[in-house]
Amino acid sequence: DQQVKQNSPSLSVQEGRISILNCDYTNSMFDYFLWYKKYPAEGPTFLISISSIKDKNEDGRFTVFLNKSAKHLSLHIVPSQPGDSAVYFCAAPPYSGSARQLTFGSGTQLTVLP
Amino acid sequence: ETGVTQSPTHLIKTRGQQVTLRCSSQSGHNTVSWYQQALGQGPQFIFQYYREEENGRGNFPPRFSGLQFPNYSSELNVNALELDDSALYLCASSPVTGGSTEAFFGQGTRLTVV
Repeated sequence: DQQVKQNSPSLSVQEGRISILNCDYTNSMFDYFLWYKKYPAEGPTFLISISSIKDKNEDGRFTVFLNKSAKHLSLHIVPSQPGDSAVYFCAAPPYSGSARQLTFGSGTQLTVLP
Repeated sequence: ETGVTQSPTHLIKTRGQQVTLRCSSQSGHNTVSWYQQALGQGPQFIFQYYREEENGRGNFPPRFSGLQFPNYSSELNVNALELDDSALYLCASSPVTGGSTEAFFGQGTRLTVV
């Protein structure tokens, strides 16, 4: 039973355009979400998070949107850069505000074309 | 400040053997979690250690066991290896304060079971 789902295994976008990565969840107890980025041969690195008390959180080029009624979140990257090419995971912990015991989605490979 | 380091980086074992993977947590971090990432999947939570005690476990059989040492470093032991245990094993550490919003991952150990 996948509680966090990323239905798009891959996404290609042109440099300078917007990248939109999607994530759905089924566990209505989840109220805090994180996005991680992973390059080959490296561990995942934290990118941005959002609490369910918000519907948007922005950090530079990265914005995460949360739609609680749809149990859906999305990560927007604007403008996309070739260095953003990586696998992106959304994740949720059992406890709000924590990054422990995470449930991850299966990831989306983003390729930004120059 | 050194980050999370894991050893070895790659490892090949035979089915039925036992393996020990090691993780040095980031300085000042007292919580260590282990994840298994199969090919094409997101990381799956195995277990978490806090103050040398296991305090959270995912859906993994007892042949997956661990230890945490007084310096907060950790080991993951897997007995009776199966072919499906082939995966990237990730260690993550979290800071001392409760409700930490970040987990810092190591680069992982790639285990191949033949």
